Amino acid sequence: EVQLVETGGGLIQPGGSLRLSCAASGFTVSSNYMSWVRQAPGKGLEWVSVIYSGGSTYYADSVKGRFTISRDNSKNTLYLQMNSLRAEDTAVYYCARDHYDSSGYWFDPWGQGTLVTVSS
Amino acid sequence: SSELTQDPAVSVALGQTVRITCQGDSLRSYYASWYQQKPGQAPVLVIYGKNNRPSGIPDRFSGSSSGNTASLTITGAQAEDEADYYCNSRDSSGNHLDAVVFGGGTKLTVL
Repeated sequence: EVQLVETGGGLIQPGGSLRLSCAASGFTVSSNYMSWVRQAPGKGLEWVSVIYSGGSTYYADSVKGRFTISRDNSKNTLYLQMNSLRAEDTAVYYCARDHYDSSGYWFDPWGQGTLVTVSS
Repeated sequence: SSELTQDPAVSVALGQTVRITCQGDSLRSYYASWYQQKPGQAPVLVIYGKNNRPSGIPDRFSGSSSGNTASLTITGAQAEDEADYYCNSRDSSGNHLDAVVFGGGTKLTVL
């Protein structure tokens, strides 16, 4: 069964750092594009970052320079290192497997999400 | 970056057909994908590509596209279809070719 399980969320003070993990099963993380998507309380979905199978990484402007996406192939796990956290980073963070072809782009499956709360 | 626009809320009578739309320039180049999200749960992919349903998604869900508008149609809406629906597409605005955009979401109420 293809599955993603996120961990690492919690309460953190503004300016602090947190690392989220996303453990995959049923497929190989390093052979796929993998993304982080977040959802602030009561708000919509916001794409955060992607890592390509080749290792290239891309970020939304809102997190560029503060967040770093990476993976550990031996653990089949995706990570999101979040530094200089701000109140507006408060959200449920989902990891997802990316799919694409010439016609479009989609995410499936999604993890259950992990809540990050940035507050003093 | 480009944007995708959705109506904030739509309602449908039980058993009737409803169309949820998504508008954006990137949809002239790429098909939209659609996700269903129920309260407290992660999004679930319901439509991708031209009109493809993942395994386990009922065939009452279908997708279509015309110009800069993509549509998700639920034919014979059921009570369990009440949820938020989001579209997404690949950004085609140039500097963010590798970014992905989401619509703001549509809250579907089944009456």
